[in-house]
Amino acid sequence: DAGVTQSPTHLIKTRGQQVTLRCSPKSGHDTVSWYQQALGQGPQFIFQYYEEEERQRGNFPDRFSGHQFPNYSSELNVNALLLGDSALYLCASSPGGPLNTEAFFGQGTRLTVV
Amino acid sequence: GQQLNQSPQSMFIQEGEDVSMNCTSSSIFNTWLWYKQDPGEGPVLLIALYKAGELTSNGRLTAQFGITRKDSFLNISASIPSDVGIYFCAGLETSYDKVIFGPGTSLSVIP
Repeated sequence: DAGVTQSPTHLIKTRGQQVTLRCSPKSGHDTVSWYQQALGQGPQFIFQYYEEEERQRGNFPDRFSGHQFPNYSSELNVNALLLGDSALYLCASSPGGPLNTEAFFGQGTRLTVV
Repeated sequence: GQQLNQSPQSMFIQEGEDVSMNCTSSSIFNTWLWYKQDPGEGPVLLIALYKAGELTSNGRLTAQFGITRKDSFLNISASIPSDVGIYFCAGLETSYDKVIFGPGTSLSVIP
């Protein structure tokens, strides 16, 4: 049983560009959350998707958007990239809706903005 | 906004020693979670706590939900080299809130 898988593992983008990160949840999981983890810090919640809708959102600008597909997989899009967007982006999935807090994390996508 | 503090920030211990770390919040939480993150990996859930005063074990790990609901503690007994990593606490004020992570405690184990 594959766990949470994210792609790509590493990515280098230029300031001002747009990026799309992808996440496939663990089998049987219907809720996907995205986090940004800057170097040396704890993960920061970006948003959560359930039933193809954004259910909760952290303190991130509208440049950060997402989508959840009928098969529960999800995408994170970031527009107009800034140098400060360089971070590890983590996807976490859980079963049974947004109230289940016991999430499984993927390995993350390391985004570098130059 | 909500903020979690973890102490110590880092610790170096001898293999076989016991480890204690804690997490505090300025507000009351109703769920506490403890995660471990290895280099190049995502965090892995170690223990989840849902009731004030709850004490839960997972092998050599024991975590407690503080009585005040503003803190939580994680203990590791008889540390081994594979315990090396960063330990994060995380919590929610209510079941409908987003998960807030602490800044982490970095653990190094000297063989």
